[in-house]
Amino acid sequence: DTGVSQNPRHKITKRGQNVTFRCDPISEHNRLYWYRQTLGQGPEFLTYFQNEAQLEKSRLLSDRFSAERPKGSFSTLEIQRTEQGDSAMYLCASSPGTGVLIYSSGANVLTFGAGSRLTVL
Amino acid sequence: QKEVEQNSGPLSVPEGAIASLNCTYSDRGSQSFFWYRQYSGKSPELIMSIYSNGDKEDGRFTAQLNKASQYVSLLIRDSQPSDSATYLCAVTRGGSNYKLTFGKGTLLTVNP
Repeated sequence: DTGVSQNPRHKITKRGQNVTFRCDPISEHNRLYWYRQTLGQGPEFLTYFQNEAQLEKSRLLSDRFSAERPKGSFSTLEIQRTEQGDSAMYLCASSPGTGVLIYSSGANVLTFGAGSRLTVL
Repeated sequence: QKEVEQNSGPLSVPEGAIASLNCTYSDRGSQSFFWYRQYSGKSPELIMSIYSNGDKEDGRFTAQLNKASQYVSLLIRDSQPSDSATYLCAVTRGGSNYKLTFGKGTLLTVNP
């Protein structure tokens, strides 16, 4: 396992279509994150999983967005009825995590995947 | 006030010079601080993490944290053209130690 894997790397779709992205985190990492990044901006937090539990969703994540991590391993991010404003790079990241939030241990150091770039026409 | 602020640049330095990148944050409860490097079209990669006040050095990189001033910086010594990238400052918020909030990034260009 060499890192966080995301696919597809690029997706071009027409407005109104549904798209799904997949993320395979580093195998021993139990935390998984989705971020979105647009040109000239830093990554923006979308959602976070601890194992299979989705513990937080950003207000950026409208009801057209849904994320799952059914077995605590890979995750999917689905966008329904895509809009042009959804065009962005969707980044997945994972971190080791621990049962206790020891921040100095590196448990919260995120490793990012290569990203999935979405273009909505 | 934005949660994490960086000068968007571009910051241009000659090869061999010291590049200084700055970041301020608004949440006094922030506990973990990170610098990520992002090449154009690529994903962010971790350069440095720092958790306590003071300096932390790793090779040509030094991270500096001043929690009283809510300020974190990254110094790159002997800058190389390969250091040309966008540098993202990220912090965790107090009470939410798992979620990173990123600044917009500073574009650094190192001229040969």
